Amino acid sequence: NAGVTQTPKFRVLKTGQSMTLLCAQDMNHEYMYWYRQDPGMGLRLIHYSVGEGTTAKGEVPDGYNVSRLKKQNFLLGLESAAPSQTSVYFCASSFELADPQETQYFGPGTRLLVL
Amino acid sequence: EDQVTQSPEALRLQEGESSSLNCSYTVSGLRGLFWYRQDPGKGPEFLFTLYSAGEEKEKERLKATLTKKESFLHITAPKPEDSATYLCAVQTNDYKLSFGAGTTVTVRA
Repeated sequence: NAGVTQTPKFRVLKTGQSMTLLCAQDMNHEYMYWYRQDPGMGLRLIHYSVGEGTTAKGEVPDGYNVSRLKKQNFLLGLESAAPSQTSVYFCASSFELADPQETQYFGPGTRLLVL
Repeated sequence: EDQVTQSPEALRLQEGESSSLNCSYTVSGLRGLFWYRQDPGKGPEFLFTLYSAGEEKEKERLKATLTKKESFLHITAPKPEDSATYLCAVQTNDYKLSFGAGTTVTVRA
């Protein structure tokens, strides 16, 4: 049981480049989330999903897109990276219908540097 | 707007010196309050969930309590391995979490 995994661990982009961050969970969770963490600001919700095929905007969605084509995967896309998107990105998942707990479990993070 | 404020920002303790971290919140509808531990370069690790005022949870040297306006994380006789950033988050009726900025605890041997 790997929990929540994220790919890649670290990436450097140039302004204007695009990339996709992959999150996978093996806990059969219904809900998945993408956060960014910046110094002194805490974790902020970018987008989230309450089930396969559904997505919704969080607190800071601009410049990001997401997709949840499979229940276990949640993808975060940056179409045209900007230096303001330099951050550490965390994926989380929660809520299994057979054992409804509302605790969110986090992945190890992806460090993104946009030059 | 939902707000979660943690204090202090940083806490330096001597091994064995007990202390408390504070998480104050103003939210429209509280479903639960969560405490996480985060080590450098890693994702947050779940510690506790508290759902109602008066509730307490304990795990080893950590004890979390909840009132209607704030939560405390008490660290009793801390050890160097308790050094980490402790995050507080509140969950509202829309199931989203709002996080505080965290308290970084350093325990010296």
